[in-house]
Amino acid sequence: GNSVTQMEGPVTLSEEAFLTINCTYTATGYPSLFWYVQYPGEGLQLLLKATKADDKGSNKGFEATYRKETTSFHLEKGSVQVSDSAVYFCALSEEYGNKLVFGAGTILRVKS
Amino acid sequence: EAEVAQSPRYKITEKSQAVAFWCDPISGHATLYWYRQILGQGPELLVQFQDESVVDDSQLPKDRFSAERLKGVDSTLKIQPAELGDSAMYLCASSLSSGNYNEQFFGPGTRLTVL
Repeated sequence: GNSVTQMEGPVTLSEEAFLTINCTYTATGYPSLFWYVQYPGEGLQLLLKATKADDKGSNKGFEATYRKETTSFHLEKGSVQVSDSAVYFCALSEEYGNKLVFGAGTILRVKS
Repeated sequence: EAEVAQSPRYKITEKSQAVAFWCDPISGHATLYWYRQILGQGPELLVQFQDESVVDDSQLPKDRFSAERLKGVDSTLKIQPAELGDSAMYLCASSLSSGNYNEQFFGPGTRLTVL
């Protein structure tokens, strides 16, 4: 079945450091790919998405590129802030039906 | 800004008791989802509704879990009887429709602790 694997955390960075959170997927067909963020005490929020190969999703300084050849969707940010501390989930949406399949999540902690 | 509402936010119960969670999706959203998020894991879909009809409940433990969306608006998820392994965050989400690329909007969740 479809699955998502993302790097284990926690990831601890200093403010203004470069962030990469790796995500790879296994899927049949042509899934859409997403990054969701969950701040403490809140629900999941969509951070960015890409719906086809080579698409780049971007939002709030975060970017991720849909790489079909490596089945990857790595999340990057050039300069993290303390306010970026949260749990980040990579997910795919199956080609039909809009069901989301999530990775286990990666905790990001940014120190000032 | 419209939001998905869930209640209660926290629930503590003893095993073998019944519990119920409520979700009110964003107005006009035809598709409603219930996910379970065990600590340290990503959310897993339990049930998906299109209006009042169930379209996917393949991961719902039907011997103890039930879900309904009688008028195609708000929804209730019930567990009876609760077991220790049911301790988790229960998330509700909604989208305009079930077609692909439809963004799912999540509520704040109900954290269930079973003692």
